[in-house]
Amino acid sequence: QSALTQPASVSGSPGQSITISCTGTSSDVGGYTFVSWYQQYPGKAPKLIISEVSNRPSGVSTRFSGSKSDNTASLTISGLQAEDEADYYCSSYTSSSPSYVFGTGTKVTVL
Amino acid sequence: QVQLQESGPGLVKPSETLSLTCTVSGGSISSGGYYWSWVRQHPGKGLEWIGYIYYSGSTYYNPSLNSRLNISVDTSKNQFSLKLSSVTAADTAVYYCARSSRSGYYTSPWGQGTLVTVSS
Repeated sequence: QSALTQPASVSGSPGQSITISCTGTSSDVGGYTFVSWYQQYPGKAPKLIISEVSNRPSGVSTRFSGSKSDNTASLTISGLQAEDEADYYCSSYTSSSPSYVFGTGTKVTVL
Repeated sequence: QVQLQESGPGLVKPSETLSLTCTVSGGSISSGGYYWSWVRQHPGKGLEWIGYIYYSGSTYYNPSLNSRLNISVDTSKNQFSLKLSSVTAADTAVYYCARSSRSGYYTSPWGQGTLVTVSS
């Protein structure tokens, strides 16, 4: 079971938009619409920000959006703010056991 | 709303068994529709699925941990537990319990996490 591939880091200036990619295979990202994204601040638990590719849970900023094309899912943060500086992880259902796989994680830096 | 809280020793000796319990409040483990998950994060590293359990007792384990892992559920106490045997320093991590949707395969909410250090 291999982790999904994310860029180690992405940075942007306040107000800009950034996109984080999450690349898998046809056995996970490409085969299902069960991609989710999590935001994690240092020393804190992950928080769900996108479910099922593009669904935003109640209370999550509309500046976060998700999409998927073939074997790659993407998280876009628009209107980047200082509070968006955190680690972001994707996750997908996988046909392999134990059914879930995480991405390698991306550190977002607001310049 | 549903909340989860991990509990257990923060220090475990090498070769011994790591045991953690997750207490669920604000909702019933037996309500169905969710898996009850364990995830860990090695210091400074990414997230790793450990495994999960359904209230019926069905379990799904990460193959890399399968031979050392046992996840159980106690619906009467609204708790689920993790036991990882023969631990080494490589098992030092923050351990999270969480609720995972069976239909959407997303995970929320998460417990606050507990650091378990394996050291003599």
